[in-house]
Amino acid sequence: SAVISQKPSRDICQRGTSLTIQCQVDSQVTMMFWYRQQPGQSLTLIATANQGSEATYESGFVIDKFPISRPNLTFSTLTVSNMSPEDSSIYLCSAMKGARGEKLFFGSGTQLSVL
Amino acid sequence: EDKVVQSPLSLVVHEGDTVTLNCSYEVTNFRSLLWYKQEKKAPTFLFMLTSSGIEKKSGRLSSILDKKELFSILNITATQTGDSAVYLCAVERDMRFGAGTRLTVKP
Repeated sequence: SAVISQKPSRDICQRGTSLTIQCQVDSQVTMMFWYRQQPGQSLTLIATANQGSEATYESGFVIDKFPISRPNLTFSTLTVSNMSPEDSSIYLCSAMKGARGEKLFFGSGTQLSVL
Repeated sequence: EDKVVQSPLSLVVHEGDTVTLNCSYEVTNFRSLLWYKQEKKAPTFLFMLTSSGIEKKSGRLSSILDKKELFSILNITATQTGDSAVYLCAVERDMRFGAGTRLTVKP
C-alpha cells in the first residue's frame, strides 16, 4: 500500500489568486493523478502527473490554469491559478504503485472555496 | 470517448436490506475495474476486478465482473447505517470514474 499526505486539507481563497496543493507519497509510485470533485458530483480526472516530463491533461483542462509538477517519484503539486468561484471544489491526488492494473490510493483531499 | 455509467444514482434502503449497485463501461484497452467507497473526501478502496466471473468478497460486500457484457455489480447484504456513502467505480486504463451511487441506509 501507499500513504499519501496531501495539504492543505482546506483553504478559502480570494478570486484571482493561486493555490498550490502538495502531495507526498511515503514510497515511490509509478503514476500520480489529480482529480477534481465538484459539489455533488463524481471525480473528474484533471491530469496525469508524469515524472520528469509535462503532465498529460484531460479534455477541458489546460496547463496554464492547472500547472502540475512532479519532480520525483514521491511528490507532486497541482496549482489552481487565477481562481474564480467556479474552481470551488475538492481536489484529490492519487497514486498507483506499480504498472497499470493496480489499485489507486488517494490523498485526503483539499477542500477549496473561492470567494 | 470512454464511458463509465453507474446506476442507480441514488438509493435509499432500510437496515438489513440487500442492495445491488451497477457499473457499465465502454473503454479501450480495459485493464481493470475498481470499486471505491467515499464517505468524506478521500475514496477508500473496496475491490479490483480483472477477470470475468470471479467473485471478490469482503464481509458483507461482494463484487463480480462480466467482461463480455461490460459491467460489474457491487452487492451489499444486511446493510447497516455505516454503509451510507457514495460508491464509485473506476475503469483503468485511464482511471475514469462513474458518477457514483449515493446509498443511504436508514435505521
